[in-house]
Amino acid sequence: NAGVTQTPKFQVLKTGQSMTLQCAQDMNHEYMSWYRQDPGMGLRLIHYSVGAGITDQGEVPNGYNVSRSTTEDFPLRLLSAAPSQTSVYFCASRASGGGTQYFGPGTRLLVL
Amino acid sequence: GDSVTQMEGPVTLSEEAFLTINCTYTATGYPSLFWYVQYPGEGLQLLLKATKADDKGSNKGFEATYRKETTSFHLEKGSVQVSDSAVYFCALSDNRQTSGSRLTFGEGTQLTVNP
Repeated sequence: NAGVTQTPKFQVLKTGQSMTLQCAQDMNHEYMSWYRQDPGMGLRLIHYSVGAGITDQGEVPNGYNVSRSTTEDFPLRLLSAAPSQTSVYFCASRASGGGTQYFGPGTRLLVL
Repeated sequence: GDSVTQMEGPVTLSEEAFLTINCTYTATGYPSLFWYVQYPGEGLQLLLKATKADDKGSNKGFEATYRKETTSFHLEKGSVQVSDSAVYFCALSDNRQTSGSRLTFGEGTQLTVNP
């Protein structure tokens, strides 16, 4: 049981490049979400999903796209990276009946 | 909307000192409250939680009580250790099915414990 996994651990991009941050969970959780962590601002919700085929925007969705084709995977796409997207990104999942959200180890992204 | 406010950091203590990190919240409905801890270079781990008023969450010597009257969830530990050095986040969950019970986080408090 690996929990929530994220790849890559670290990535450097140039402005305008695109990439996909991967997130997978093996706990059969319905709810999954993406957060970004910036100094002095805690974690802010980017997008979330309450089940396969269902996604919605969080607090800071601009510049990011998501899809949820399976229960296990919830990738986050940056279509045209900007320096303002330099951050640490965390994926999380939770069972539909409530309870604890489990976080992945994070992806550190640097956009030059 | 929902919000969480934590005491400003960083906090520096000597080993065996008493720790309090203040957390207050604003929310509608009946949120659940959490403390998460982030050790250097790692992701967030749940430290403790409380799901209703007057509940006390506890783990690893840390405690926090859900106070609805003061909208607070302050984190306490009687005797901190060097290994407790980390960033601590207070968070609330709105428990609304339509929002996926999204978490709202405070800014985080950096704790450093010196030997």
